[in-house]
Amino acid sequence: GAGVSQSPSNKVTEKGKDVELRCDPISGHTALYWYRQRLGQGLEFLIYFQGNSAPDKSGLPSDRFSAERTGESVSTLTIQRTQQEDSAVYLCASSLGSSGTGTNTQYFGPGTRLTVL
Amino acid sequence: AQSVTQPDIHITVSEGASLELRCNYSYGATPYLFWYVQSPGQGLQLLLKYFSGDTLVQGIKGFEAEFKRSQSSFNLRKPSVHWSDAAEYFCAVGAGSGGYQKVTFGTGTKLQVIP
Repeated sequence: GAGVSQSPSNKVTEKGKDVELRCDPISGHTALYWYRQRLGQGLEFLIYFQGNSAPDKSGLPSDRFSAERTGESVSTLTIQRTQQEDSAVYLCASSLGSSGTGTNTQYFGPGTRLTVL
Repeated sequence: AQSVTQPDIHITVSEGASLELRCNYSYGATPYLFWYVQSPGQGLQLLLKYFSGDTLVQGIKGFEAEFKRSQSSFNLRKPSVHWSDAAEYFCAVGAGSGGYQKVTFGTGTKLQVIP
């Protein structure tokens, strides 16, 4: 596709349930990032993928959060046993990820709004 | 580690007036700097970016930003604001090499435009 897409656009779940959020990056982009944006706040970095591996997962807030990427394309962010504080917009971004360019601008998807009741 | 400060949480300007949104960063080397805009219900759209060279950067929608190393600032400007510019604006600083760039975002400035 032309841009980064994310699904679902909205997700309402009950506390304690597991959720999966999906990101389709721009074709050819090898780098993929997940961020969390709580209401009225800036973006919190969660995890970075280069290809299918995640060299930087330092932003994952707890072991309830995990992410994977397959085929150097689609990524899934999974939140287990959701809590009310997980309510936020989850944004995905992708970039070329080419070594040496130094200009790896990130392009963002529209986000998934997660509400935990 | 890098950091970004956007001191103004909320700004209101009249349509047609000029605009300046402030951004200060902290980073030990020459940073990569970005401004993104987020309209209600939309994802983040890149307005402009600075990596090197000319310190005055032109972006989309008539925006520009100036990198001032001495002040560690990267303020966003527009000479005449349109009602459609009402949105939230995020300044960001990137650091890294090769294919990986860790980007740290400010907390955002919400712009309201009044007729």
